[in-house]
Parts: sequence; structure tokens; C-alpha cells
Amino acid sequence: EVQLLESGGDLVQPGRSLRLSCAASGITFEDYEMSWVRQAPGRGLEWVGLIRTKGHGGSADYAASVKGRFTISRDDSKSVAFLEVISLTPEDTAVYFCSGRPAAIHYDIFAVWGRGTRVTVSP
Amino acid sequence: DIQMTQSPSAMSASVGDTINITCRASQGIYNYLAWFQQKPGKAPKRLIYTASALHPGVPSRFSGRGFGTEFTLTITSLQAEDLGLYYCLQHNQLPYSFGQGTKLEI
Repeated sequence: EVQLLESGGDLVQPGRSLRLSCAASGITFEDYEMSWVRQAPGRGLEWVGLIRTKGHGGSADYAASVKGRFTISRDDSKSVAFLEVISLTPEDTAVYFCSGRPAAIHYDIFAVWGRGTRVTVSP
Repeated sequence: DIQMTQSPSAMSASVGDTINITCRASQGIYNYLAWFQQKPGKAPKRLIYTASALHPGVPSRFSGRGFGTEFTLTITSLQAEDLGLYYCLQHNQLPYSFGQGTKLEI
């Protein structure tokens, strides 16, 4: 069974940093492009960014709203993806989900999701 | 960037009804369109991928159609458990983008 489990969410003060993790099981993680999606309270889903597989260059892409403050990385040896966020603002308050797709199957997008981890930014 | 315009933003229907939710892309996305259902406090669940393929285990009363810029999610024989939020997602081009969501009340 494929499972994704996010962790690392917390209550933090504005300006601080946080690193979120997404641990995967049941998949060949190194073959998966991994994405982060967030949802602010009472709002819709917002794609945040993704990291490609090493076979596709291993680079990351981000939504314009988070570029420069968010960094996505991966550790294939541990089947974990990370989202590092710096200079947090109250607007970053959200539940952060991870999902992904097999890099070789472009259409098989976001079949499985984690349950999310909550980030609250408040003084 | 591709904008996804989803409508309606909210709707109310009765058990047994047939409803349609539409997503319009600001430019052509072929069939790189997925639909998700989200219940309160839960992660989204995929219903449809490539615009019309049913995710394994999803009831056949859910269906999708469309290509290019216009897409529709149809739910026939609506059930009480179908209430929730519905989102479309385009993944033809980065940045990926979701529709604004449709809140379905039964």
C-alpha cells in the first residue's frame, strides 16, 4: 500500500523558518516526482512546488508566490521529500500536503496524498 | 501561467440528482486534467485523471469529459456521501494550478 506521511508542522513566529518532511512507503521513491500543495484555512488548494527525480535532473520548480523562500529537496536513500520555508509570514499559515506522480507516467498525477501537516504562523 | 476557472463555486442538490461541475482553462491543456474530492479536515482524493479516466475504486456514478480548455465532472445518482469540495487540477504546464473549488451540499 502506498503511503505518504507529512510531519514537521508547528506554531511558529513570523520571520522564523521550518522544515517539513514527507516520508513515503510502498513506492519506488526515486522514480517519483514529488509535489507540495498547501491549503490555507477556509481556502482552496494551492500547488507550491515540485522536485524532479534524479533521472530527470533533480531540479525543483515553485509557484511564483513562494519562489525564493521555499526550497524542496529529497533524500532518495530514506524515501523522504522536504520543504524548507524561510521568513514565514501569517499568509503561510496552512495545511501542507505532499503528493506526487511516477516520473515516467505524466498523466498519473496525485493518485495518493498524505494527511497533511499544519503550519501556523502567529506572533 | 494557466488559470483554471471552476464553476459553480457552490451548489445544493438532492439525493438522486445529476450534477455537473465545469473547469475552463485559460489555454489548451490537452487532457492533463484531474478532479479531486475533499471532505472537511481530510486530504483530497483523486476521482478522475486524464480528464475522463476513473481512479480505481471510485464509483462509476462519477465521470469526466473534455479536452483542450473545457472540462466537466458529472455525478449521477447523487448520494449523501458525495457532499464536499471538488477541485480540478491542470498539470500540462508548470506551475500546476487548481480551480477555486466547488462546494457541494446535499
